[in-house]
Amino acid sequence: DAKTTQPPSMDCAEGRAANLPCNHSTISGNEYVYWYRQIHSQGPQYIIHGLKNNETNEMASLIITEDRKSSTLILPHATLRDTAVYYCIVRGRYGGSQGNLIFGKGTKLSVKP
Amino acid sequence: SAVISQKPSRDICQRGTSLTIQCQVDSQVTMMFWYRQQPGQSLTLIATANQGSEATYESGFVIDKFPISRPNLTFSTLTVSNMSPEDSSIYLCSVQPTGYYGYTFGSGTRLTVV
Repeated sequence: DAKTTQPPSMDCAEGRAANLPCNHSTISGNEYVYWYRQIHSQGPQYIIHGLKNNETNEMASLIITEDRKSSTLILPHATLRDTAVYYCIVRGRYGGSQGNLIFGKGTKLSVKP
Repeated sequence: SAVISQKPSRDICQRGTSLTIQCQVDSQVTMMFWYRQQPGQSLTLIATANQGSEATYESGFVIDKFPISRPNLTFSTLTVSNMSPEDSSIYLCSVQPTGYYGYTFGSGTRLTVV
């Protein structure tokens, strides 16, 4: 079973920041938080990941709480092309079966004009 | 990251038949992963495939139904055997390229069993 909880859906206005929350209260010290998204009819796409520090790349920012029990993915200026299902995944650091990507239900983000 | 070519992109098959899906990667990878995505659902991991050893299947998936081959470090196949309409899904392969944190996914095979 997935180790994360996400809202099933969210709306965001085009050009505004999209903040997608994720709860992972049972995360262990050797597990990363990964974010992927799946645009309709495509395979999932890696966005970002983090262990305990906040991370930023060209696609998004990841804010992880100090206790690591929750995180927020931020798309700073959402566009219509960001409409997708966003998956928050907890993944083991050292590979093996704990290193597999196990997908939950995700959040369906709809960016509206 | 790696580029994955998955074939066929879609197929319509008769029940009771088998379909073999191919996954070709443009770089050598240690492990390849096969997922199933049923209509309107999230992805479910079927199995992981290492070159030179038998695939490791997740709970609910068996080798007789989903045999996997991994003949080299850039190629794998997944066969969906004795198909029924319940096997209608998108099947995706995935890899973790060396030196890259993220997994790369193929575009999937959309299978319809009639």
